[in-house]
Amino acid sequence: AQSVSQHNHHVILSEAASLELGCNYSYGGTVNLFWYVQYPGQHLQLLLKYFSGDPLVKGIKGFEAEFIKSKFSFNLRKPSVQWSDTAEYFCAVNALTGGSQGNLIFGKGTKLSVKP
Amino acid sequence: EAGVTQFPSHSVIEKGQTVTLRCDPISGHDNLYWYRRVMGKEIKFLLHFVKESKQDESGMPNNRFLAERTGGTYSTLKVQPAELEDSGVYFCASSLHIGRLNSPLHFGNGTRLTVT
Repeated sequence: AQSVSQHNHHVILSEAASLELGCNYSYGGTVNLFWYVQYPGQHLQLLLKYFSGDPLVKGIKGFEAEFIKSKFSFNLRKPSVQWSDTAEYFCAVNALTGGSQGNLIFGKGTKLSVKP
Repeated sequence: EAGVTQFPSHSVIEKGQTVTLRCDPISGHDNLYWYRRVMGKEIKFLLHFVKESKQDESGMPNNRFLAERTGGTYSTLKVQPAELEDSGVYFCASSLHIGRLNSPLHFGNGTRLTVT
């Protein structure tokens, strides 16, 4: 069965530190990859997505992620975090063909706490 | 536009009781999804409606869960009878088109269900 692993349960950083959240998935076929974010008290929001093309994708709020097919990874990065980035981050994979974005397989999430 | 709305935001019930969760998708969105997150675990897919039809219900845990989407508008998820392990946050999401790669999922705030 497909699965998604997020390596860190809770990450604590100071403002201006660089961020990298790891995500690995297990599926040998074509995948769509996503990062979602849930800010405190808010709904899940799409941060960025990869379907095809340039493996380095840019999302909102200065986030980016790199798809490395050989490593089955889709790590999320941000060069300089802000206090407002405090949230829970979810990596997700859609292994279905046909373009449906339903039936996402999520990782367990990583809580990011940024100290001012 | 109004987002995906879920009601109630929080429900506390006793084991053996019945609870009905409601989701109103974004107007015009054919696709409606239910997901669940049990504490400490991944967000897991439950089922996917296309209009009023169940496209995929492979994630429904057992026959105590019944989802409906009458008329292809709002959806309800009923748990009867509820068990302790049903506790968690139930998310609803909707998307505009079927099979359109650039049709993102919009999530609601979730319903936190506590079964005591």
